[in-house]
Amino acid sequence: KAGVTQTPRYLIKTRGQQVTLSCSPISGHRSVSWYQQTPGQGLQFLFEYFSETQRNKGNFPGRFSGRQFSNSRSEMNVSTLELGDSALYLCASSLTSGYTYEQYFGPGTRLTVT
Amino acid sequence: KQEVTQIPAALSVPEGENLVLNCSFTDSAIYNLQWFRQDPGKGLTSLLLIQSSQREQTSGRLNASLDKSSGRSTLYIAASQPGDSATYLCASSGSARQLTFGSGTQLTVLP
Repeated sequence: KAGVTQTPRYLIKTRGQQVTLSCSPISGHRSVSWYQQTPGQGLQFLFEYFSETQRNKGNFPGRFSGRQFSNSRSEMNVSTLELGDSALYLCASSLTSGYTYEQYFGPGTRLTVT
Repeated sequence: KQEVTQIPAALSVPEGENLVLNCSFTDSAIYNLQWFRQDPGKGLTSLLLIQSSQREQTSGRLNASLDKSSGRSTLYIAASQPGDSATYLCASSGSARQLTFGSGTQLTVLP
């Protein structure tokens, strides 16, 4: 069974631009969550999507948004990029929502903002 | 608000040693606790998941225990190998509907 895939793996953007990251969950998984990892803050929860609906949101500004499609694939978008948005963005998939099931992570997208 | 702490931040051991990594959490009302491994620049690999009703889980040379009453979990690695070198993260899930991560223990196993 294929794991969680994320594209692209690496991105370099300029301050003020916007970026879209993509995540394909494990087949049959319907919940997709996004996390940001930085050396200073560690791993922080961004949001969770299930059945095309955002179920939970972390403490991030409105510049961070996401969506989920009917095939459970998810995208996250960051608008008006800031230097502090440089991070490893990880998505995780799970069978269903509620966080009672195991979370499986993808390889991440490394975003560098210059 | 749940807080997860991992001690030590870094650990270096010679090959073959048995070792214990520690994880503590402030809110005992968790759904489960998950241990992950992260290699430099890579994603997270799930190692073990312990449900709140369980006391321990085992996979190969790894054994994880959970004591909700004391807010502690441990990851025991037997007969460590250089390939075990990585950062180990624990994370709890609960009513907040998200994983709350510790800051990790960076393990180096010396040949």
